[in-house]
Amino acid sequence: AQKVTQAQTEISVVEKEDVTLDCVYETRDTTYYLFWYKQPPSGELVFLIRRNSFDEQNEISGRYSWNFQKSTSSFNFTITASQVVDSAVYFCALSDTGTASKLTFGTGTRLQVTL
Amino acid sequence: AAGVIQSPRHLIKEKRETATLKCYPIPRHDTVYWYQQGPGQDPQFLISFYEKMQSDKGSIPDRFSAQQFSDYHSELNMSSLELGDSALYFCASSLGAKTNGYTFGSGTRLTVV
Repeated sequence: AQKVTQAQTEISVVEKEDVTLDCVYETRDTTYYLFWYKQPPSGELVFLIRRNSFDEQNEISGRYSWNFQKSTSSFNFTITASQVVDSAVYFCALSDTGTASKLTFGTGTRLQVTL
Repeated sequence: AAGVIQSPRHLIKEKRETATLKCYPIPRHDTVYWYQQGPGQDPQFLISFYEKMQSDKGSIPDRFSAQQFSDYHSELNMSSLELGDSALYFCASSLGAKTNGYTFGSGTRLTVV
């Protein structure tokens, strides 16, 4: 069975601070995909990144960066110089690589960025 | 670019009524997934269809049924609604054989009163 753990329920930071959201996963599959989604107060799920299990290169996209460590089964997400618009719930998710594989979500981390 | 379309966006029903949620996937996407997200919860997988056949089933109540039609759109039918069915219902689509990413619709917010 697959499991995703986001131990941080809620994080509050002041604008311009850096913040890291933790994600730890469990799976018996040798190949899998990891995802991060953002859910702003409006409710939609916004895709941020997909990472294949055989690609451990870290990725940077603007103020966002992701650190994938297969050895510790972690896929952490860092926002640099946070902004108020980053306030949202962030979900880490996992799927296998089979056809029509469902996503297993973590419980989410609510990020509050204040001025 | 075309996205996943869900209708309606909001729905209010009374207990014991029936609701039908619709999902129109991205063109050429052959797989549809339904998720239920209760207040303050993470999205929970309900059911999926690949090429119009049920592919996988999660924690979907027996009161719910779903299907994917010949044009690949999908409908989630919910009967004998209960207060606990109040949630945000997401549909997502993908190309089944390639888990490139799941594109989610904006969701249908169902309120049962």
